[in-house]
Amino acid sequence: GAVVSQHPSRVICKSGTSVKIECRSLDFQATTMFWYRQFPKKSLMLMATSNEGSKATYEQGVEKDKFLINHASLTLSTLTVTSAHPEDSSFYICSARDPNGREKLFFGSGTQLSVL
Amino acid sequence: QQPVQSPQAVILREGEDAVINCSSSKALYSVHWYRQKHGEAPVFLMILLKGGEQKGHDKISASFNEKKQQSSLYLTASQLSYSGTYFCGTERGSQGNLIFGKGTKLSVKP
Repeated sequence: GAVVSQHPSRVICKSGTSVKIECRSLDFQATTMFWYRQFPKKSLMLMATSNEGSKATYEQGVEKDKFLINHASLTLSTLTVTSAHPEDSSFYICSARDPNGREKLFFGSGTQLSVL
Repeated sequence: QQPVQSPQAVILREGEDAVINCSSSKALYSVHWYRQKHGEAPVFLMILLKGGEQKGHDKISASFNEKKQQSSLYLTASQLSYSGTYFCGTERGSQGNLIFGKGTKLSVKP
């Protein structure tokens, strides 16, 4: 099946720094990718829809200036958490749709962000 | 609109059965089921598209009612490997982004 690679898997940073998370579709082209955030023992909350070549669509309550999304190519979307604070600590997961139809989502392995 | 899942948690002994429900106040285009183990990404289980559909593989199956407002996931003769949190997801819009329920934590004990 299709593979979505996410990097890094874990990052620890100081408060005030920015962190970039990469999401790549390895063997297919993804014009659309999705970014989710998950707090411990909680559900996956959709943050934004990343669109190749255009602006991302953010969910209500998600600060677009805080969570910068860039989808510059058909295989790469990046999420940058700017000026990170401890409350940004969370598990971030990207996903892309099955290229063969509107079926399942393929998820990356996730990034555990810890802001000190 | 976030689908409603129940129960929130269930504890089973190996070999026992479980049912997890997912419901919405509006008819859904589809319902997706995923399982997530701690610290890992969700893994796709199945998708149901049609009202009245039933689908399954091995001892995990699911149904979608005729009105397409409720789906159930059936786990029979549970195994230790079934432990994890199960999420149902519903599509919103044409881009295929999924909105997930709050999840059901399943613990299978020996």
